[in-house]
Amino acid sequence: SQQGEEDPQALSIQEGENATMNCSYKTSINNLQWYRQNSGRGLVHLILIRSNEREKHSGRLRVTLDTSKKSSSLLITASRAADTASYFCATAPYSGAGSYQLTFGKGTKLSVIP
Amino acid sequence: NAGVTQTPKFRVLKTGQSMTLLCAQDMNHEYMYWYRQDPGMGLRLIHYSVGEGTTAKGEVPDGYNVSRLKKQNFLLGLESAAPSQTSVYFCASSTPGTAREKLFFGSGTQLSVL
Repeated sequence: SQQGEEDPQALSIQEGENATMNCSYKTSINNLQWYRQNSGRGLVHLILIRSNEREKHSGRLRVTLDTSKKSSSLLITASRAADTASYFCATAPYSGAGSYQLTFGKGTKLSVIP
Repeated sequence: NAGVTQTPKFRVLKTGQSMTLLCAQDMNHEYMYWYRQDPGMGLRLIHYSVGEGTTAKGEVPDGYNVSRLKKQNFLLGLESAAPSQTSVYFCASSTPGTAREKLFFGSGTQLSVL
């Protein structure tokens, strides 16, 4: 079953604008991660936020996590055409058998127009 | 450093045919995974392995078999292909210490079953 659900499914912005995408999940997590997938390629790990963290930054990326709402957001500032890709959130369950298995959402397709 | 390599990149099968997808990683990772990616469905875990000689079922294992005879290789087999197995298949790997924190993906295999 899908744990993470991204919103929106697709997003189109102008170069230089900020892009925000959201992820909701259902069960307790150990951490939440964001991955990027360029067309025809595999997924690449972007950033991880742990369940006891509320915000994390990496370059132009800012991730927030609200465990009370079971949601996360990924903000890409000053977007570039090269940011055009699909973005997936993935959750790692808090504990239990198979707790090392990640569950991926359906993704947000971001288009950055030059 | 090649990372995770998948072969072949593309394959067309007829219903009922069999084939094997090969995944090789050169990072000495213990854990390896096979996912399938379908439009609008995100990534779903098929099978995984936590070490040489061990395999386990994921979310959608039916119709697939796997083997991990060598630490660096993880094979995914389709004994009797069906059109429902048309998908993009991704292999990933991780280390035990970061199994829930970061996956490294191959570039995928596009499989069409006619």
